[in-house]
Amino acid sequence: NAGVTQTPKFRVLKTGQSMTLLCAQDMNHEYMYWYRQDPGMGLRLIHYSVGEGTTAKGEVPDGYNVSRLKKQNFLLGLESAAPSQTSVYFCASRPAVTLLRDYAYNEQFFGPGTRLTVL
Amino acid sequence: LAKTTQPISMDSYEGQEVNITCSHNNIATNDYITWYQQFPSQGPRFIIQGYKTKVTNEVASLFIPADRKSSTLSLPRVSLSDTAVYYCLVGGPTGANNLFFGTGTRLTVIP
Repeated sequence: NAGVTQTPKFRVLKTGQSMTLLCAQDMNHEYMYWYRQDPGMGLRLIHYSVGEGTTAKGEVPDGYNVSRLKKQNFLLGLESAAPSQTSVYFCASRPAVTLLRDYAYNEQFFGPGTRLTVL
Repeated sequence: LAKTTQPISMDSYEGQEVNITCSHNNIATNDYITWYQQFPSQGPRFIIQGYKTKVTNEVASLFIPADRKSSTLSLPRVSLSDTAVYYCLVGGPTGANNLFFGTGTRLTVIP
């Protein structure tokens, strides 16, 4: 199992250019997420998906679009990149909730990240 | 969505036990508590999760008092490789809950 993979690992864009980040998972997970992490900060949720064909906005969705056409893939698109979108982007996935004893086991599996610079 | 408060940073010597406390005063009945670890240039990694009392695994222990308004992550006998940022998350079992990472606690282990 490769787990969660992200493509590309690094990218430099000019302001106004567009690009798509690909996240793939081979664990048959229902939920997938896109986060961004700025220097010295925690992760902030951009968009998420609770299943194939569904997407929803997170904490910081502006300037991004997503698609989940296949269960194993979650794409993050930047239509017109801005310097404020310079960040490290992490994708994560998790299985549907499994009730275990007194609580729901809910572990997110993260990819290695994509470092994006917008000039 | 319950938010959390953690110390920004902590230092510890190798071999010591480290306790990181997280406050979550607005935790809901269905919420559970999850801790993640993040090394530089890597995605976060799940450490431990719990709902009440004490949970222990091969990596850490999680202590949750009866009122559940706080929790403490305990790392026994830390080593240099435990230097990382530790995040406490609180949320419910469905949807996008449990996804507010905050700024975490930066733990530095000193030789």
